[in-house]
Amino acid sequence: NAGVTQTPKFRILKIGQSMTLQCTQDMNHNYMYWYRQDPGMGLKLIYYSVGAGITDKGEVPNGYNVSRSTTEDFPLRLELAAPSQTSVYFCASRVRDLGTEAFFGQGTRLTVV
Amino acid sequence: DAKTTQPTSMDCAEGRAANLPCNHSTISGNEYVYWYRQIHSQGPQYIIHGLKNNETNEMASLIITEDRKSSTLILPHATLRDTAVYYCIVRVYNNNDMRFGAGTRLTVKP
Repeated sequence: NAGVTQTPKFRILKIGQSMTLQCTQDMNHNYMYWYRQDPGMGLKLIYYSVGAGITDKGEVPNGYNVSRSTTEDFPLRLELAAPSQTSVYFCASRVRDLGTEAFFGQGTRLTVV
Repeated sequence: DAKTTQPTSMDCAEGRAANLPCNHSTISGNEYVYWYRQIHSQGPQYIIHGLKNNETNEMASLIITEDRKSSTLILPHATLRDTAVYYCIVRVYNNNDMRFGAGTRLTVKP
C-alpha cells in the first residue's frame, strides 16, 4: 500500500490563480481530512469527509472547496489564491472512528506570491 | 471536544524517559485521548490512544489519571529521533472531525 499520497509536493502560485491539491489513499478509508499548517504553528482543519459524497467544514474553510466523488480521492481546490494561503497542506485518512489511527500524507508546500 | 493544554516545549536527555503531560480537565466520559507526533515538517504520526486504562505499545505508554482530567505520554528511552512536536487530542467517539492544538516541542539532547 502506498498509504496517503499528496501531489504536488511543492507549488508556487501567483495571487488570483487557482489550483487543486490532490490527495489519494489506497487503504479504503472512509474518513478523509485536509489540514493547513502555517510556519511554527499547529495544524488547522480545513475540511473533512466521512465518505463519498459527504463533506463538511472544519475550522478554516474560507477560500477552499472540496469534493469526494470516490472513496480514494479527496481533492482540495483553492480559488483566487491569496498570500494568506501560503502554508503546508496535509491530507489524512482513517478507516473508522473508534480505536483507529489517522494516516497522513507528506504534505504540499504552497507559496502564493 | 474537550480542550487540551500542553507545555510549549520540553527537553529530555538521550536514553532517559520523556514524560509529556496533557491537561484535559473538561473531558467527558465518551472522549478518548489520542497522541500524535510530527517530526520536522513531515506529516503527523499516530502514537497511542486510550479511554480510561493505561495503554502501552511498541512506541510509548499512556498514563491516564483516575479522574481522566490529565494524562502523560511516556517515551521510555528517548532517542535523538524522538525530537518532534507531540500533540494530545481529545475526541468524542462519534465526532467525525479531528482537531489539533499547538502541541509540545520535545527536544532530545545528547
